Amino acid sequence: AQSVTQLDSHVSVSEGTPVLLRCNYSSSYSPSLFWYVQHPNKGLQLLLKYTSAATLVKGINGFEAEFKKSETSFHLTKPSAHMSDAAEYFCVVIRNTGTASKLTFGTGTRLQVTL
Amino acid sequence: EPEVTQTPSHQVTQMGQEVILRCVPISNHLYFYWYRQILGQKVEFLVSFYNNEISEKSEIFDDQFSVERPDGSNFTLKIRSTKLEDSAMYFCASERYFGPGTRLLVL
Repeated sequence: AQSVTQLDSHVSVSEGTPVLLRCNYSSSYSPSLFWYVQHPNKGLQLLLKYTSAATLVKGINGFEAEFKKSETSFHLTKPSAHMSDAAEYFCVVIRNTGTASKLTFGTGTRLQVTL
Repeated sequence: EPEVTQTPSHQVTQMGQEVILRCVPISNHLYFYWYRQILGQKVEFLVSFYNNEISEKSEIFDDQFSVERPDGSNFTLKIRSTKLEDSAMYFCASERYFGPGTRLLVL
């Protein structure tokens, strides 16, 4: 079985300061991992994805994540938070079944950005 | 950029009624999914669909649920007899891309 654990349900940062959203994964094989963002009353937008190529993955809106196999982590970071980054962030692990891929979501981290 | 669309955006129904949630996936994609998110909870996998048939379903996806792609473009999720606990946001996904969701409220 595979799963992801998002260590913080809520993170609050000041605008202009760095963002760190933590995610640890559990998988019996080399996983594919994604981060999605959900703004209030909006759908799920794909931020970035890791699929066993470069371990440092760059996404949209200045976000990036680093896959660390030794730590089974895939933390999401951004050097400088913006008010528009306030949203719910989901770490996701993918299981490829041969004909389809099943996404398993973490419980989410709500990012609050203050002035 | 192509996007996944879902209709309606909101649906209110009475317990025991049938609802059909509609999705238009991205046209050249082959794999489609339904997920749901009960308010305040995590996003849960319901079903995956490939080559006009279900490839995998979760324990949530019982006999009350069905999916089909009736005309080669729309991808629908039907709930035959809704229960209060079916109230949730339902997301359609076309491969890695999600639609905006349908918020279903069962009274």
